Amino acid sequence: EVQLVESGGGLVNPGGSLRLSCVASGFTFSTYTMNWVRQAPGKGLQWVSSISYSDSYIYYTDSVKGRFTVSRDNAKNSLFLQMNSLRPEDTAVYYCARDRLTLSAPGHAQFDYWGQGALVTVSS
Amino acid sequence: DIQMTQSPSSVSVSVGDRVTITCRASQGISTWLAWYQQKPGKAPKLLINVASTLQSGVPSRFSGSGSGTDFTLTISSLQPEDSATYYCQQADSFPLTFGGGTKVEIK
Repeated sequence: EVQLVESGGGLVNPGGSLRLSCVASGFTFSTYTMNWVRQAPGKGLQWVSSISYSDSYIYYTDSVKGRFTVSRDNAKNSLFLQMNSLRPEDTAVYYCARDRLTLSAPGHAQFDYWGQGALVTVSS
Repeated sequence: DIQMTQSPSSVSVSVGDRVTITCRASQGISTWLAWYQQKPGKAPKLLINVASTLQSGVPSRFSGSGSGTDFTLTISSLQPEDSATYYCQQADSFPLTFGGGTKVEIK
């Protein structure tokens, strides 16, 4: 059974940092592009970042470029999102999500498995 | 960036009714479109990929169609468990973008 479990969310002051983790199981993690998608309270879905299976390709939405860094450790079946210089508008539930295609470039990612989400609240 | 516009934003329908949700892309995306269902407090669930392919395990009352800029998600006979918010997502190019969502409620 495919499982994605996020951790690391919490309350942080504006300007602070937080690191989200997502541990995967039930599939060959090293062959899938992985993604972060967020959802502000009561709002819609927003794609945040994608990292290819070999981390050769990495993409970010403009609003987080230079502040967020995505990475992965295929040996530990883990995906990470380092979030720095956090702003109140970054407050959201952050989901890790798997691209449905294996060994593909991230360009056409459609998300077939999602984690339960990690709530990040940026507030003083 | 490719903008995705969904309509309607909400709909109230009776069990057994047919529901049609549309999604329009601001530029052509071929068939690089996915549909998701999200229930309150839960992660989204992939229903349809590449515009019309039903994801494994999804009931056949769900169907998708379209290409280019105009797409449709249809629920042929609404069931109580279909009450949810539905999102389209373009997978043609970065940044990947979602529609604003359509909330489907049961009358």
